[in-house]
Amino acid sequence: SQQGEEDPQALSIQEGENATMNCSYKTSINNLQWYRQNSGRGLVHLILIRSNEREKHSGRLRVTLDTSKKSSSLLITASRAADTASYFCATAMGGSEKLVFGKGTKLTVNP
Amino acid sequence: DTEVTQTPKHLVMGMTNKKSLKCEQHMGHRAMYWYKQKAKKPPELMFVYSYEKLSINESVPSRFSPECPNSSLLNLHLHALQPEDSALYLCASSTGVGSYEQYFGPGTRLTVT
Repeated sequence: SQQGEEDPQALSIQEGENATMNCSYKTSINNLQWYRQNSGRGLVHLILIRSNEREKHSGRLRVTLDTSKKSSSLLITASRAADTASYFCATAMGGSEKLVFGKGTKLTVNP
Repeated sequence: DTEVTQTPKHLVMGMTNKKSLKCEQHMGHRAMYWYKQKAKKPPELMFVYSYEKLSINESVPSRFSPECPNSSLLNLHLHALQPEDSALYLCASSTGVGSYEQYFGPGTRLTVT
């Protein structure tokens, strides 16, 4: 069963705009990870945020984590057409050997 | 080398065929994974290998048979598949199991006819 639920399911924006997608989860976690998947291809790891961290940056990506609300957000600033992809959050629960992926947000950046 | 390779890229097989998917990594990772992904869905975990031993089988039907010949290789043997098994099969690896970031291969697009 999925641990994470992304919101929105689909997002369409213009190049240069910012894109924000959210992830909610149900149980306590060790960390939360975001992955990108271009159409029909493998997933690429974007960023990992630990349960004791509140915010993390990587280039144009900003991730926040609110463990009290069991939610995370991924912000992509100054989006580009090449950012068009599906974005998944994945949670790693304590003592578990696996990541559980959310349903994903499909982002379309129009040139 | 931070790449996970998978072969073949595409595979079409009949329901009576036997085929194998292959995955390879040379990052020294000790955990390797097989996922199945249907269109517009997230990856679903099938198997986890840790130190070349099967540690998780997510109640996958026996027509899927994983094998880890060594720490760099992971195979998925396929036999008597059903059309509903058509999907993208992804291999991934990580330093250890659980909380580590995973490196994914490009996947094998499998069609069962």
